Amino acid sequence: AQSVTQLDSHVSVSEGTPVLLRCNYSSSYSPSLFWYVQHPNKGLQLLLKYTSAATLVKGINGFEAEFKKSETSFHLTKPSAHMSDAAEYFCVVSVNTGGFKTIFGAGTRLFVKA
Amino acid sequence: DTEVTQTPKHLVMGMTNKKSLKCEQHMGHRAMYWYKQKAKKPPELMFVYSYEKLSINESVPSRFSPECPNSSLLNLHLHALQPEDSALYLCASRTGVEKDYGYTFGSGTRLTVV
Repeated sequence: AQSVTQLDSHVSVSEGTPVLLRCNYSSSYSPSLFWYVQHPNKGLQLLLKYTSAATLVKGINGFEAEFKKSETSFHLTKPSAHMSDAAEYFCVVSVNTGGFKTIFGAGTRLFVKA
Repeated sequence: DTEVTQTPKHLVMGMTNKKSLKCEQHMGHRAMYWYKQKAKKPPELMFVYSYEKLSINESVPSRFSPECPNSSLLNLHLHALQPEDSALYLCASRTGVEKDYGYTFGSGTRLTVV
């Protein structure tokens, strides 16, 4: 079975400090992994994706993530938080199990303090 | 055009009403999706259309009826809804159903059933 675990439901950082949002996955198949951001009352926006090429993936707005197969992790990082980064972040796994299946993590709410 | 457009943005309907949600994309994406999102939860898949044919119905009650008139349009017809159906309804599209493609989401329709 496939699963996604976002290890923190809430993360709070100060503006200008690093951001780390943690995601672990479990899959019997070769996964593609994604991070999406959702601002209040908005749709989700794709930040970045891993699809079996480079393990360090750079995305929009200064975010990046590293796929670590040995740790089954895909943590999202940003060197310096901005107030506009305050939002909900979803880690997503997609696999081909004969059909194509997408699993969303429960989400991590990022708070950014001035 | 790199957007998914959803209308209306807000909808209040009574339990005996019939209404429709609309979704449009002009990116040439051949897979289109309806998701339902309750507050503080990840999106839940409702329906998948691939090449304008319904390919997945996640056991959604028949009071929700999807329609894909052409490759750019997706509708969700609503009838006899219940208050627990109140949620943010998100439309999404992607190039295909294969696992490597990320979603482009619309901003959603905030539905309130009274």
